[in-house]
Amino acid sequence: EAGVAQSPRYKIIEKRQSVAFWCNPISGHATLYWYQQILGQGPKLLIQFQNNGVVDDSQLPKDRFSAERLKGVDSTLKIQPAKLEDSAVYLCASSPSHSREQYFGPGTRLTVT
Amino acid sequence: GNSVTQMEGPVTLSEEAFLTINCTYTATGYPSLFWYVQYPGEGLQLLLKATKADDKGSNKGFEATYRKETTSFHLEKGSVQVSDSAVYFCALSGVDSGYALNFGKGTSLLVTP
Repeated sequence: EAGVAQSPRYKIIEKRQSVAFWCNPISGHATLYWYQQILGQGPKLLIQFQNNGVVDDSQLPKDRFSAERLKGVDSTLKIQPAKLEDSAVYLCASSPSHSREQYFGPGTRLTVT
Repeated sequence: GNSVTQMEGPVTLSEEAFLTINCTYTATGYPSLFWYVQYPGEGLQLLLKATKADDKGSNKGFEATYRKETTSFHLEKGSVQVSDSAVYFCALSGVDSGYALNFGKGTSLLVTP
């Protein structure tokens, strides 16, 4: 079974630029999560999807971050414009419906200069 | 709201030493508890889990028991190896958060030969 795929693995941008990350969850997993992991901290939830609907985006900085999951499969997370404090690893995870076990992708390491 | 507190690192041990990483939590209801591990340069992997009080999760020689009376889920291993060097994250998942994970800050473990 293929795992959660993410791309790109690394991205370096200047502040005020925009960037997009892509996630392909495990086939059949209805729930998809995006987490932000700042260096030295644990991951923090940004947004949760159930199929193509948003379950929780209370911690997503909506003035600059957006996310979508069209057709309930792949998802993209966008930052526009980026700030220095957005430097982090962005993790995508998926799980079957109503399961508490999540499977994580390798993450995208973003550096904002 | 839900939160997880785990002991700060880094923890440095000699090979074959006994390991304990403390984790306590605050949550409403009956959360599930997890330990995730992040090896250098790799993504988050589920190490073990427990879904109800007094459950013991175990994997690869690691164990943790869900203690509701002390709201704790301490990670233990009787004899660590150099290959156990990694960052360990305690996390919880509750139905009131849509099963999203709340992570602790992580504890870095270094095992020396």
